[in-house]
Amino acid sequence: KNQVEQSPQSLIILEGKNCTLQCNYTVSPFSNLRWYKQDTGRGPVSLTIMTFSENTKSNGRYTATLDADTKQSSLHITASQLSDSASYICVVRLISNFGNEKLTFGTGTRLTIIP
Amino acid sequence: GAVVSQHPSWVICKSGTSVKIECRSLDFQATTMFWYRQFPKQSLMLMATSNEGSKATYEQGVEKDKFLINHASLTLSTLTVTSAHPEDSSFYICSASPGGTGNTIYFGEGSWLTVV
Repeated sequence: KNQVEQSPQSLIILEGKNCTLQCNYTVSPFSNLRWYKQDTGRGPVSLTIMTFSENTKSNGRYTATLDADTKQSSLHITASQLSDSASYICVVRLISNFGNEKLTFGTGTRLTIIP
Repeated sequence: GAVVSQHPSWVICKSGTSVKIECRSLDFQATTMFWYRQFPKQSLMLMATSNEGSKATYEQGVEKDKFLINHASLTLSTLTVTSAHPEDSSFYICSASPGGTGNTIYFGEGSWLTVV
C-alpha cells in the first residue's frame, strides 16, 4: 500500500470552475508536505511547501491545507484555467534520525480542464 | 530563482550501448541530488541518492552496476545507463535542493530515454 495516496486519480472540470485534490499519507515522522504540478513530459514544479505546524498556504489560485492529526492535505484550485491541466503530485519529505532525507511521492491526480 | 538543468532532454540509443544524463544545479550548490524514473501515467520512483564525493545510495531493486551515478562536484551529478535495453526506456528526472528541511526541492526538466 502506497504511503501517500491521492484522490481522485483523474478529474475533468470546466474552465473557470474550482476543484479540490486530496492527499492522505501514513508516513511519519514527516518534515514537510509539498504539492507539485507536473506538465506532461516535464519535471515537477513546486506549488506549496507546508511544515507540520502550518494549516494553510496559498500560492495565487492554489491553496493547500494540512491536517497533521488526520494526516490529510488538500490542494484547492480556484477559477481553473486551461493551463492548469497537468498532474498534481503530493510529496511527503522525511528527515531520518541520521539526517538522511527521503521523499515519498503520491500517485498523482491527472487534472484536465476543458473549455 | 534556483534552476536544475538536465541534459540531454531526450536521447535515442541502440540496445547494448551506454548513455549518460547530466544534472546540474545552476545557481546553488547541492551536496545531495536525487535520481528518479517515471513510467507513463505513473508517479516518480526514486532510484538513488547521489552524494557529492561519495558513493550513491541506491533504492532496493535498482541495479547499481547498471545505473552508474557520479556526483563529482557540488553542482553536477551524472547518471549513466549502461548496456541499455528497451525496458530501460523511460523518463529520468533529477532533483536537488539548496539544503534545509524547508527549502524547495527543484526538479530538472527530465530526460526522455528511448532504447531501440
